[in-house]
Amino acid sequence: DTAVSQTPKYLVTQMGNDKSIKCEQNLGHDTMYWYKQDSKKFLKIMFSYNNKELIINETVPNRFSPKSPDKAHLNLHINSLELGDSAVYFCASSQTGALGQPQHFGDGTRLSIL
Amino acid sequence: AQSVTQLDSQVPVFEEAPVELRCNYSSSVSVYLFWYVQYPNQGLQLLLKYLSGSTLVKGINGFEAEFNKSQTSFHLRKPSVHISDTAEYFCAVSPYNTDKLIFGTGTRLQVFP
Repeated sequence: DTAVSQTPKYLVTQMGNDKSIKCEQNLGHDTMYWYKQDSKKFLKIMFSYNNKELIINETVPNRFSPKSPDKAHLNLHINSLELGDSAVYFCASSQTGALGQPQHFGDGTRLSIL
Repeated sequence: AQSVTQLDSQVPVFEEAPVELRCNYSSSVSVYLFWYVQYPNQGLQLLLKYLSGSTLVKGINGFEAEFNKSQTSFHLRKPSVHISDTAEYFCAVSPYNTDKLIFGTGTRLQVFP
C-alpha cells in the first residue's frame, strides 16, 4: 500500500490552462505539505496544512490554491499556468505533536507547460 | 532564518570506495537535521535524522552521519558504496518550533563499477 500517493504522475498542458494535482496519505498523519522541485533539483516548501488548516504559505503566487477536504487529502489547484510552473511537485505528510518527525513523500507529479 | 549548504553538487566514486557528502547549515535557532535520498523518478526517502543525543547517527542502507555543533555540519558517510547508491542526496533542517523542512541543493552521488 502506497503511503503518500499523488495523481497524476505526469501532467503536460498548455500555458494558460488550469490544472489540479491530488494527494492522499494513508499514514494517519495530521499535517500535509506541497513542495516544488525545480529543474536544478532545488526543493522548496509551498504550503503546509494541519488538520485542514493552512499553516505555512511560502509567498506562493495566488494562482496556486491548496485545498484540504480532510486531513488525509491535500490537493493543489493551479490557475493560468505559466512556463515557470514547470517542475516536479511533491506532496508529503508527517505527524505533528512530536517535533522532528520525518516527512513522508509521494513520488511526485512532473508538470510540463508547453 | 535557516539555510543549508551542500558544497558538492556531484560526487563520482567507484564501487566499494568510501564516500562523504558534506552538509553545513546556518540557523539562529536550534534545528533537527535530516538526510533524504531521491532515486530517479521517485520521491524522497528518509535516510537518517538527528534529533538529540549521540552525535553519530546510523541510517538505512549502511549510511551514517555525524552532527558537529561547533562546525554546524552534518556530513553523510558510507564506508563502501554500491552501484545502487547512485541517487540524489538532500540534507535538510527543521527548526525546533516548526514542521518546516529547509533543503540544501542536493548532491548527486554517481557510483561507477
